[in-house]
Amino acid sequence: EVQLVESGGGLVQPGRSLRLSCAASGFAFDDHAMHWVRQSPGKGLEWVSGISWNSRNIGYADSVKGRFTILRDNSKNSLYLQMNSLRPEDTGFYYCVRDFQGGYYGTGTYWDYWGRGTLVTVSS
Amino acid sequence: EIVLTQSPGTLSLSPGERVTLSCRASQSLTARYLAWYQHQPGQAPRLLIYGASNRAIGIPDRFSASGSGTDFTLTISRLEPEDVAVYYCQQYDGSPGWTFGQGTKVEIK
Repeated sequence: EVQLVESGGGLVQPGRSLRLSCAASGFAFDDHAMHWVRQSPGKGLEWVSGISWNSRNIGYADSVKGRFTILRDNSKNSLYLQMNSLRPEDTGFYYCVRDFQGGYYGTGTYWDYWGRGTLVTVSS
Repeated sequence: EIVLTQSPGTLSLSPGERVTLSCRASQSLTARYLAWYQHQPGQAPRLLIYGASNRAIGIPDRFSASGSGTDFTLTISRLEPEDVAVYYCQQYDGSPGWTFGQGTKVEIK
């Protein structure tokens, strides 16, 4: 059974940092590109970042470019999102999502499994 | 950016009724790269449909979808209590890559 379990969310002050993790199991992690998607009350569902199976191709939404970094460790079946310079508008649930294929092309692929999400709240 | 507009915002129907959800794109999805997801409270979102009309693994055949160009539809042939959820359409045809509709909430009357 495919499982994606996010962790690392919490309450953080504006300008601070947070690192999210996603533990994957039940499938060959290094066969799939992975993504982070967030859901906030104001903006609905929003793609945040994606990474190819081998970390060679990476993409970010304009709203997080320069502040967030996506990483993966295939030896640990884990995906990460390093979030710096956090803003109140970054508040929301963050989901770890599996791409149905291994490459990252910025479009043209769908996602077949999601985690339950971890809540990030940016507030003073 | 391709904008997806879903309608209606909320549907309240009785068990056994037919459910029809709409998703309209601001520009044509020439490759029919449209997916539908089901999101129940506290659960992981679940892929229902990809490629506009292909059911994902394990999805009951009461779920079906169709459409092309800018107009797409998700149909639940007979509403079951476990279908209560928010349903999202998503396009993966444009650049930047992925955008979602705002969701349709399906409730049991």
